[in-house]
Amino acid sequence: DQQVKQNSPSLSVQEGRISILNCDYTNSMFDYFLWYKKYPAEGPTFLISISSIKDKNEDGRFTVFLNKSAKHLSLHIVPSQPGDSAVYFCAASARTGGFKTIFGAGTRLFVKA
Amino acid sequence: NAGVTQTPKFRILKIGQSMTLQCAQDMNHNYMYWYRQDPGMGLKLIYYSVGAGITDKGEVPNGYNVSRSTTEDFPLRLELAAPSQTSVYFCASSFAGYNSPLHFGNGTRLTVT
Repeated sequence: DQQVKQNSPSLSVQEGRISILNCDYTNSMFDYFLWYKKYPAEGPTFLISISSIKDKNEDGRFTVFLNKSAKHLSLHIVPSQPGDSAVYFCAASARTGGFKTIFGAGTRLFVKA
Repeated sequence: NAGVTQTPKFRILKIGQSMTLQCAQDMNHNYMYWYRQDPGMGLKLIYYSVGAGITDKGEVPNGYNVSRSTTEDFPLRLELAAPSQTSVYFCASSFAGYNSPLHFGNGTRLTVT
């Protein structure tokens, strides 16, 4: 039972354009959401997060949008750069869920120069 | 400040052998976690710890054991290795509980043949 789903295994975008990575969740108790970025042979690194009391959080080129009614969040990268090519994981946790952060399967982003 | 350090980076085990994956963090984080990542899948939580002397099971604990005798170290023990344990293992730590980003090590790639 996948509680966090990233339905696009990969995404290819031209340098300078917008990258939009999507994530859906099923557990309505989730109230904190994170995006991690992972390069080959390295561990995931934290990118940006959003609490369920917000619908948008911005950090430089990265913006996360949360639509609670649709149980959907998305990560926008503008403008995309070749160095953004990596696997992006969506993750979620619940205040009542103990300390379990649930991860999606990841989306591999290719940014073409 | 090394962050989260995992050893070894790679290991090949024969079926039935045992080994310990080492994890150490120097950020004085109370919370530590072990995840495994299988191809095309997200990270699955194996075990976690909220402080020295306290550990608990995650989503996929069978076949593994952990201990937490110090704040810094959180080793993962595999007893009687099986091919299903072939995976990449990530150790992580966090400052606080559910709403605190995880800091990951660079992983241990384990193959059981």
